[in-house]
Order: sequence, then structure tokens, then C-alpha cells
Amino acid sequence: EVQLVESGGGLVQPGRSLRLSCTTSGFTFGDYAMSWVRQAPGKGLEWVGFIRSKAYGGTTEYAASVKGRFSISRDDSKSIAYLQLNSLKTEDTAVYYCTRVGRLHYDFWIWGQGTLVTVSS
Amino acid sequence: EIVLTQSPGTLSLSPGERATLSCRASQSVSSSYLSWYQQKPGQTPRLLIYGASNRAIGIPDRFSGSGSGTDFTLTISRVEPEDFAVYYCQQYGSAPLFTFGPGTKVDIK
Repeated sequence: EVQLVESGGGLVQPGRSLRLSCTTSGFTFGDYAMSWVRQAPGKGLEWVGFIRSKAYGGTTEYAASVKGRFSISRDDSKSIAYLQLNSLKTEDTAVYYCTRVGRLHYDFWIWGQGTLVTVSS
Repeated sequence: EIVLTQSPGTLSLSPGERATLSCRASQSVSSSYLSWYQQKPGQTPRLLIYGASNRAIGIPDRFSGSGSGTDFTLTISRVEPEDFAVYYCQQYGSAPLFTFGPGTKVDIK
């Protein structure tokens, strides 16, 4: 069974950092691009960032709202994707979802259950 | 920068009625890269349609997608009680790399 499990969320003060992990199982992690999507309380879905598979360079892309503050990495040997959140702002408060990106249609077929990040003093 | 606009914002229907949800893009989107998701309260989003018109595994055939270019549609032929939820469209390709629409809420009339 394909599974994505996020961890690392919690309460953090503005300006501080946090690292989220997405531990995966049930598929060949290295074959897939991964992405992070967030959802602020009561709001819609917002794409955060994306990391390609190593076969496509393992490069990253980010939404303008987080570029320069957030970074995504991957450890194919452990089947884990990471989201490093730096210089956090109150508006970064959201549930952060890890998703596996479809190879043909760039859709988000598989989602984790999400981890809540609350930025507050 | 591409923007997805969904209409209506809220659609109030009775079970058994037909639902037609619109997703309009500010620039042309490849049909291969337009997807639809369903999200119920407290749940993770679920992929319904990929490539504009292909149902994901396990999605009932009352859900269908169509469209091309800048206009896409999600249709629920006969709304069932479990279909009351928020629906999002999503595109890949134009900056920003991925974009979601603001969502359409389908609620009970």
C-alpha cells in the first residue's frame, strides 16, 4: 500500500524555523517527483513547492510566497522528502500536505494526512 | 502568471440533481495537465479527474471532466449525499508551476 506520512509540525514563533518530513512507503520513491501543498485554516489549497526525481536533476521549484524562505530536499535512500521552513510568518500557519506527483499528468494522486504548522508568538 | 477561477463559489443542490462546475484559466492550459479534486471537511483532498477527462481509480462514473484551452468543466450527473464537498481544479505547467483554483463548494439545498 502506498503511504505518505508527514511529521514535524507544531507551534513555532515568527522568524523561527521548522523542518517537516514526509516518510513514504509502498512505491519506488526515487522514481517520482514530490510536492508540498498547504491549506490555511478555512482556506483553499496552495501549492508550496516541488522537487524532481534525480533522473530529472532533482531540482526544485517554489511558489512566490515561499521562495527564498522554504526549501525542499529528498533522501532517496530513506524514501523521505523534507520541507525546510525558515523565517516563518504568521501567514504560513496551515496544514502542510506531502504529495506524490503523477509522472504523466503532474497530478497529485497520493496525499499524506497532513501536519499542522502554527506560527504564533 | 496563470490564475484559475472557479464558478460558482457555492452550488446548492438537492440529491439527484446535476452539478456543473467551471474552471477558467487566465491562459491556455494543456488538457494533459488539468486535474480536479474533492475535499470533504476534515479530510485530505482526493484526486477525481486527471488529464481533464480521465477518472482516477475508484471514482464513480457519475463524475466526468471536459474542456480544453482555458475552459474546463467538472460534471456530477446525479449528486449523491456523499458528493457534498469542496471541489478544486489544478493546473501544471505555467508559472507558477502548479496552481489551484479557489474551489467550488457543493452543498445541500
